Amino acid sequence: NAGVTQTPKFQVLKTGQSMTLQCAQDMNHEYMSWYRQDPGMGLRLIHYSVGAGITDQGEVPNGYNVSRSTTEDFPLRLLSAAPSQTSVYFCASSFTDRSTEAFFGQGTRLTVV
Amino acid sequence: GQQVMQIPQYQHVQEGEDFTTYCNSSTTLSNIQWYKQRPGGHPVFLIQLVKSGEVKKQKRLTFQFGEAKKNSSLHITATQTTDVGTYFCAGPLNFGNEKLTFGTGTRLTIIP
Repeated sequence: NAGVTQTPKFQVLKTGQSMTLQCAQDMNHEYMSWYRQDPGMGLRLIHYSVGAGITDQGEVPNGYNVSRSTTEDFPLRLLSAAPSQTSVYFCASSFTDRSTEAFFGQGTRLTVV
Repeated sequence: GQQVMQIPQYQHVQEGEDFTTYCNSSTTLSNIQWYKQRPGGHPVFLIQLVKSGEVKKQKRLTFQFGEAKKNSSLHITATQTTDVGTYFCAGPLNFGNEKLTFGTGTRLTIIP
């Protein structure tokens, strides 16, 4: 099983550029989420989805968009990259949103210059 | 802002010493989960506690959930170099809203 797959692993963007971070899971999980991890801040929830066609905002949604057209995929879009979005991004999935074990992808290290 | 706090933020111990990290929530939690993240890695689920006062053990790791379900702890006995990493607690802050909120994490380093 591949589990949760994130691409790319590393990315450097210029301020103002846009890009999409890809996330796919093959465990038929309904619940998927995106976190960003910054030093001393732990993991902060950006957006989440409880199923195909349903998304909602987390703690730090500004500057990011998501969509969930299929159960498997949950891409995260940076609309106009800013240096403050330099971070490590993790995608996670779980069977439901009822706080069952979350499986994380390998992460994307993003640098905005 | 984050309402799940962990202390300490950093902990350096000699190999063989014990280690404890504490997690405190501003609200009652329906459950709490613990994750470990190795340096350069991603968080990996360790355990979930659900009941008030619950204690669970995994080899040298002991997890506790407070009686009021607002705090939790992870204790590692006789640390080994393989224990290096950051330990996070996570819980849903509001009943009926089960999005996981992660604590700030405790980074453990081991001095051989």
